[in-house]
Amino acid sequence: GQQLNQSPQSMFIQEGEDVSMNCTSSSIFNTWLWYKQDPGEGPVLLIALYKAGELTSNGRLTAQFGITRKDSFLNISASIPSDVGIYFCAGQLKSAGNNRKLIWGLGTSLAVNP
Amino acid sequence: DTGVSQDPRHKITKRGQNVTFRCDPISEHNRLYWYRQTLGQGPEFLTYFQNEAQLEKSRLLSDRFSAERPKGSFSTLEIQRTEQGDSAMYLCASSSFSLDTQYFGPGTRLTVL
Repeated sequence: GQQLNQSPQSMFIQEGEDVSMNCTSSSIFNTWLWYKQDPGEGPVLLIALYKAGELTSNGRLTAQFGITRKDSFLNISASIPSDVGIYFCAGQLKSAGNNRKLIWGLGTSLAVNP
Repeated sequence: DTGVSQDPRHKITKRGQNVTFRCDPISEHNRLYWYRQTLGQGPEFLTYFQNEAQLEKSRLLSDRFSAERPKGSFSTLEIQRTEQGDSAMYLCASSSFSLDTQYFGPGTRLTVL
């Protein structure tokens, strides 16, 4: 199935460092979403982006919807141990009709060394 | 807690048995989605309901899989004659018609022996 290109695949950082991850696609999206998933749990929504160029913050998290509608990034500032987990980007295609499914990246696994 | 709930959280079954999972969406949400996720992958779309109408089904959803949302509230996903390849996390999500941002439940982990 279709997937987004998400990078990096994994990161191992020191507590307090900033983190950046991004997703790209060959398709145009009308919504970009960033989720965090802990082992054995469902994805938890972090940030939702609805407009090209939109920059949105949620605490230490900041995400942007690329102006081409084909990419997005997520930044985490001053990382803490509880930031550990897998971060997924997901996009909803810009299309008419009943197509509402999300297209997903493969995730960025984040490890934080205290 | 008014989030999406799923039951059971874990299910272990023998190959060939039927299983049924339940999802209760956020109460004001009229859209409901089922996804399947295997280790190291993002969720894969299975099917989507708007109210009680099933509007889209993935080709991943073989004829052994059936989903219902009879009253436009909770939904069930049934897998008949389970196979080992069905072992995965089954995720449910819901969204409102106006915003369509999907919120996920905790998932049901299925293990087929």
